[in-house]
Amino acid sequence: GENVEQHPSTLSVQEGDSAVIKCTYSDSASNYFPWYKQELGKRPQLIIDIRSNVGEKKDQRIAVTLNKTAKHFSLHITETQPEDSAVYFCAASMLGGGSNYKLTFGKGTLLTVNP
Amino acid sequence: NAGVTQTPKFRILKIGQSMTLQCAQDMNHNYMYWYRQDPGMGLKLIYYSVGAGITDKGEVPNGYNVSRSTTEDFPLRLELAAPSQTSVYFCASSYTSGARNGYTFGSGTRLTVV
Repeated sequence: GENVEQHPSTLSVQEGDSAVIKCTYSDSASNYFPWYKQELGKRPQLIIDIRSNVGEKKDQRIAVTLNKTAKHFSLHITETQPEDSAVYFCAASMLGGGSNYKLTFGKGTLLTVNP
Repeated sequence: NAGVTQTPKFRILKIGQSMTLQCAQDMNHNYMYWYRQDPGMGLKLIYYSVGAGITDKGEVPNGYNVSRSTTEDFPLRLELAAPSQTSVYFCASSYTSGARNGYTFGSGTRLTVV
């Protein structure tokens, strides 16, 4: 089955700096890579996702890049703000072809943005 | 439109007791999932369902059972609770293809087995 590794497990940055979280996956059939943000005591919420036919996707201050050859993808947050502090999870899945769309999650990264 | 509703929010069980975690969605999603979240371990898939009457095991199914008699409901049953089942449980749902908006998660159930 799919295995997703996520690094680092904790990340502390100063407000205004950039933050980068990296994930690798093992199953070359995976073609869908979402990122979820989970604030303390809350449910995970989708913040951005990318398909394998795209190398990069941006949404305001967040972006995701994908390297299919190396089987890794990254989340980039620019101009970090204190409200970006949360646990971020990457995930991988296969869409289409009768797949069941099971997401395999990384172990998460605790991002702390210091004012 | 309530999304995904989980009950209860908190529960303390004694070792050997049983309980059912309820999950309901009103978005007409075919796919539903149960995950458990342990500190530092991410989310692990327990069971999932691709439609009414169809369920399958995920990565960590031992000690749990599910049923899916309707599109809306996907309860998770714990038989003979053990301390290792202390965790936060999340139910999620999605459209068949996952093409729209990814998973929608419920607010979670925090379970403690003592």
